[in-house]
Amino acid sequence: EPEVTQTPSHQVTQMGQEVILRCVPISNHLYFYWYRQILGQKVEFLVSFYNNEISEKSEIFDDQFSVERPDGSNFTLKIRSTKLEDSAMYFCASSLQESQYFGPGTRLLVL
Amino acid sequence: GENVEQHPSTLSVQEGDSAVIKCTYSDSASNYFPWYKQELGKRPQLIIDIRSNVGEKKDQRIAVTLNKTAKHFSLHITETQPEDSAVYFCAASKNYGQNFVFGPGTRLSVLP
Repeated sequence: EPEVTQTPSHQVTQMGQEVILRCVPISNHLYFYWYRQILGQKVEFLVSFYNNEISEKSEIFDDQFSVERPDGSNFTLKIRSTKLEDSAMYFCASSLQESQYFGPGTRLLVL
Repeated sequence: GENVEQHPSTLSVQEGDSAVIKCTYSDSASNYFPWYKQELGKRPQLIIDIRSNVGEKKDQRIAVTLNKTAKHFSLHITETQPEDSAVYFCAASKNYGQNFVFGPGTRLSVLP
């Protein structure tokens, strides 16, 4: 059964540094998402992407965040200048219609 | 915007008993309600979902019921097993391609 994959599984960075989180959605899916989950808390929506553009974004997704689909398979989340409060698990998800399937996540730690 | 509440926050049951988790949502335009199971350190895994044109859906030991008038939906797990122990999240959305608004989660412990 196809699954969403994400790399890296863990990322440690210094405050102010740029990070890029990578995702490979399920191949025939059309909608792509990024969510984050701060330790012990609920999953929070960041952004959705369809037809090569952002379709919706939350208040969390400010100018420090950007997404890109650089080729036919990858979907990336960039954080330009990381802050301590960006430390969280970041999940990519994809869907063909309603059902969203999540990747294993990237645990980001900002020091 | 949409707000999803979930109860209880923790639930302990004996193996073989049933477990029920309830969620309420605020936006009457929401029309799709998935449930996810998340084991420690792992990805949220879709276990069942329901659309607003359906009142109940069942898949083996798992069922979901939806009351659109009251704006609440529930997850029912029968004959619980220790491997059902996890955090369960409900969510609501308005249409496919739309973001999910998640509830705060319920930590279910099934005691052998």
